[in-house]
Amino acid sequence: NAGVTQTPKFQVLKTGQSMTLQCAQDMNHNSMYWYRQDPGMGLRLIYYSASEGTTDKGEVPNGYNVSRLNKREFSLRLESAAPSQTSVYFCASSEGIAYFGPGTRLTVT
Amino acid sequence: AQSVTQPDIHITVSEGASLELRCNYSYGATPYLFWYVQSPGQGLQLLLKYFSGDTLVQGIKGFEAEFKRSQSSFNLRKPSVHWSDAAEYFCAVGARGSNYKLTFGKGTLLTVNP
Repeated sequence: NAGVTQTPKFQVLKTGQSMTLQCAQDMNHNSMYWYRQDPGMGLRLIYYSASEGTTDKGEVPNGYNVSRLNKREFSLRLESAAPSQTSVYFCASSEGIAYFGPGTRLTVT
Repeated sequence: AQSVTQPDIHITVSEGASLELRCNYSYGATPYLFWYVQSPGQGLQLLLKYFSGDTLVQGIKGFEAEFKRSQSSFNLRKPSVHWSDAAEYFCAVGARGSNYKLTFGKGTLLTVNP
């Protein structure tokens, strides 16, 4: 029982490059989330998915897209990375209590 | 819209001293409330939660928190801090209903002096 897994753990991109962050959970949760964490800002919600087939914007969605591939998987895509997207990204799943993945440290140069 | 305020950015305590971390929230109804802890370079670990019922909740690692509706607060306490408690602590309010999305405070960094 791995909980919430994220890949990759680390990534360096150049401005304008694209990438997809992968997230999977094995707890059979309906709800999944993507957060970003920046120093002094706490965690801010980018997008969430309340159930398979639905996605909604959170507090800071600009520059991101998401796909809820199935009940287990929820991916986050950066189409054209910008230095402002340098951050630590956390995926989470929940049925009332949120469980977080280990995070992806992304640097955009 | 829900929001969370953690008034203290950084707190320093001596090992063995008591600890209280403050959290105030804004939410239109009775919220779900959480405290998470994050060690450097790590993910978030749930310390404790409040959904309903007894307003004093116990968590892991000897932590407790008290929900005070009249003050819109959910402060975290520990009677005697250990060096291993040094970490960043996040209070969060969760939406009831079908999506459970969390809104986090900006965190309180705890330093423990020997």
